[in-house]
Amino acid sequence: EVQLLESGGNLVQPGGSLRLSCAASGFTFSSYAMSWVRQAPGKGLEWVSAISGSGGSTYNADSVKGRFTISRDNSKNTLYLQMNSLRAEDTAVYYCAKYYDSSGYYVYWYLDLWGRGTLVTVSS
Amino acid sequence: DIQMTQSPSSLSASVGDRVTITCRASQGIANYLAWFQQKPGKVPKLLIYAASTLQSGVPSRFSGSKSGTDFTLTISSLQPEDVATYYCQKYNSAPQTFGGGTKVEIK
Repeated sequence: EVQLLESGGNLVQPGGSLRLSCAASGFTFSSYAMSWVRQAPGKGLEWVSAISGSGGSTYNADSVKGRFTISRDNSKNTLYLQMNSLRAEDTAVYYCAKYYDSSGYYVYWYLDLWGRGTLVTVSS
Repeated sequence: DIQMTQSPSSLSASVGDRVTITCRASQGIANYLAWFQQKPGKVPKLLIYAASTLQSGVPSRFSGSKSGTDFTLTISSLQPEDVATYYCQKYNSAPQTFGGGTKVEIK
């Protein structure tokens, strides 16, 4: 079964750091680009970051640029999001999501599988 | 960056009604538009990609269309299980922005 399982969400103080993980199973992880999408409480979806299958290409939304880093370890079938200098407005459920196409690219491709999400709360 | 403006933000309709949700791109995005359904407390689910292609397993009462930079999601006959928030997302280039969402309720 194709599955994504996020972990690492927690309560953290403003200015703190956190690393999220997403364990993938049921597909050839290295062949697919991946993304992080977040949803603040009671709010809409916000696309945060994407990474190509090889890990050689990444993109971060302006709202997290310079603070968040997306990465992957294809030997461990795991996607990461390193979050630094956290702010209250980063409070959200963070979803890991997989792109449809096995080319490994995220441009021109849509998200077809989402994990259940992990909650990050930034508060003092 | 290209903005995605979704309307209405919410709607209430009766079972069996035809429901239409619109998403407008601030620039051309060709057909690189997906629609997602998020039921309360659940994970987003892909409904439509390439503006009008139904994802496998999605009921045929859902359909998508495009006119210029305007995209439409239509539910031909609203069912109780369709209560959800619907989001469009453009994916032609990064950032792959979502629309603001449309909350659909039963009257």
